[in-house]
Amino acid sequence: QKEVEQDPGPLSVPEGAIVSLNCTYSNSAFQYFMWYRQYSRKGPELLMYTYSSGNKEDGRFTAQVDKSSKYISLFIRDSQPSDSATYLCAMTSRGSGAGSYQLTFGKGTKLSVIP
Amino acid sequence: KAGVTQTPRYLIKTRGQQVTLSCSPISGHRSVSWYQQTPGQGLQFLFEYFSETQRNKGNFPGRFSGRQFSNSRSEMNVSTLELGDSALYLCASSESNYNSPLHFGNGTRLTVT
Repeated sequence: QKEVEQDPGPLSVPEGAIVSLNCTYSNSAFQYFMWYRQYSRKGPELLMYTYSSGNKEDGRFTAQVDKSSKYISLFIRDSQPSDSATYLCAMTSRGSGAGSYQLTFGKGTKLSVIP
Repeated sequence: KAGVTQTPRYLIKTRGQQVTLSCSPISGHRSVSWYQQTPGQGLQFLFEYFSETQRNKGNFPGRFSGRQFSNSRSEMNVSTLELGDSALYLCASSESNYNSPLHFGNGTRLTVT
């Protein structure tokens, strides 16, 4: 079983729809949870960053973390064609060196928002 | 602030050659990490540098190496290139605290023929 599981899609929705993206994980050591958006031929762009269980909202985006279920979600309200991209979940764990850490990523979900 | 800058954007090399990729982090960021992205494996951690020292290393062979300079700029080197090394190599920087998020550059697309 991979440490982080994410449905690769593709996911296609009409403009204005609510989008739900999800990841599950198996490693209880993960402490910080992130969502990145990656456009074609670009690097991942940080969207949301959370630590504790619960919801965090930023504009049309809401990140949800449920540590007891090892499950995180990203909701996009009023989706726009410009939201069409690959969405990657990522989780932080401590590395081997003092103070070090690394991200473990899901494989990404490819989203298309159709006008 | 300027973002993370990676050069070059594209590289084509042949098997057996070596390659050096460069990364300039966001000003003030002292931690630089490198990741490899492929369609099959997704994003995989290569290594992290802080204050010119490698703090953490992923599960890649010794052909993959890196270094960080006193101005926090970093380079990674891949020797004896193999076809499977074709990938997007991403550099990310952060403020170095455990709870600091990573900010990525746009990567270097390496193609090995």
